[in-house]
Amino acid sequence: DAGVIQSPRHEVTEMGQEVTLRCKPISGHNSLFWYRQTMMRGLELLIYFNNNVPIDDSGMPEDRFSAKMPNASFSTLKIQPSEPRDSAVYFCASSPQGALGYTFGSGTRLTVV
Amino acid sequence: RKEVEQDPGPFNVPEGATVAFNCTYSNSASQSFFWYRQDCRKEPKLLMSVYSSGNEDGRFTAQLNRASQYISLLIRDSKLSDSATYLCAPNYGQNFVFGPGTRLSVLP
Repeated sequence: DAGVIQSPRHEVTEMGQEVTLRCKPISGHNSLFWYRQTMMRGLELLIYFNNNVPIDDSGMPEDRFSAKMPNASFSTLKIQPSEPRDSAVYFCASSPQGALGYTFGSGTRLTVV
Repeated sequence: RKEVEQDPGPFNVPEGATVAFNCTYSNSASQSFFWYRQDCRKEPKLLMSVYSSGNEDGRFTAQLNRASQYISLLIRDSKLSDSATYLCAPNYGQNFVFGPGTRLSVLP
């Protein structure tokens, strides 16, 4: 199993640009989660999906953030327009529905300058 | 009170030492608990789950105290390779909320 696959690994962009982060969950996992990690705030849940349906997006910081899961094998997190304070590591994680524990992807390190 | 609290450390211990971390959580309805390990600039990786009766996996022992709402992780005979940040994660409904992590450095 290839695990949870995220792309890109690193992204450097200028303030105001659109950023799209991608995630491929483990095949057969019904739940997908997007987290953001910073030194100041730790690991924060942004949004999660069950069976491709967004269940809770209360962690999405602003309307500039949006997430989609068009099918069971792909999800995107988009930031438009990006700001320097969005700089963080963004992790995607997946789990089988009802199972215990998540598997995280390697993360995308985003730097907005 | 924060949802999940951990002593940030760092805990600096010599090889072979025994070290323990605690994690307190605020949601009395939490039913599932995990410890994750995160190496520098890497993703968190599931270390072990925590059961009411306590559970052991080699040198690692996890315990849960529901009355006081804390979980603990004990590492015996620590190795250099145990150096990492340890995150606790109790569930909140369908999700898990991660603590800020405790950093461990095992010294030669």
